[in-house]
Amino acid sequence: EAGVVQSPRYKIIEKKQPVAFWCNPISGHNTLYWYRQNLGQGPELLIRYENEEAVDDSQLPKDRFSAERLKGVDSTLKIQPAELGDSAVYLCASRRTGRSGYTFGSGTRLTVV
Amino acid sequence: DQQVKQNSPSLSVQEGRISILNCDYTNSMFDYFLWYKKYPAEGPTFLISISSIKDKNEDGRFTVFLNKSAKHLSLHIVPSQPGDSAVYFCAAANYGGSQGNLIFGKGTKLSVKP
Repeated sequence: EAGVVQSPRYKIIEKKQPVAFWCNPISGHNTLYWYRQNLGQGPELLIRYENEEAVDDSQLPKDRFSAERLKGVDSTLKIQPAELGDSAVYLCASRRTGRSGYTFGSGTRLTVV
Repeated sequence: DQQVKQNSPSLSVQEGRISILNCDYTNSMFDYFLWYKKYPAEGPTFLISISSIKDKNEDGRFTVFLNKSAKHLSLHIVPSQPGDSAVYFCAAANYGGSQGNLIFGKGTKLSVKP
């Protein structure tokens, strides 16, 4: 079984520029999450999808962040414009419905300069 | 307010000895608990989990203990190996409710010395 695939692995951008991250979850996993992990912290949820529906985006800074999951499979997370404080690792995870653990991708490390 | 707390940022253990990583939580609605291991430049990897209806779950060298009355869980690694050196995250979820989001602690960095 292929894991959760994220791209790019690393991204360096100047502040005020846009950036996008892509995630391909494990086949058959209905639930997809985007987490952000700051240095020295645990992952914090940004948004959760059940199939193509965003069922929890309460922690997503909607003034600059947006996400979509077309056809309930791949997902993209966008930041526009990026700020210095957005520097972090952005993790995508997926799981089947029910009591199961998440499988995380390797993450995208974003550096805003 | 942190719902999942890992109060020890780091732990150093000699190879072959036991590693004990601790985690406390505040939300009594959590019914599923997990431990993840993270190496640098990689995403967290699932290690072991426990349902709130159990007090112990074992998988090889890894055992998780849950004390619901104290809202405390711990991960035991016996014997510890240098390859176990990583950051360990405790996470909790309320799968029985409408929310299936994992809430993570800040992590404990384990160093196993040869």
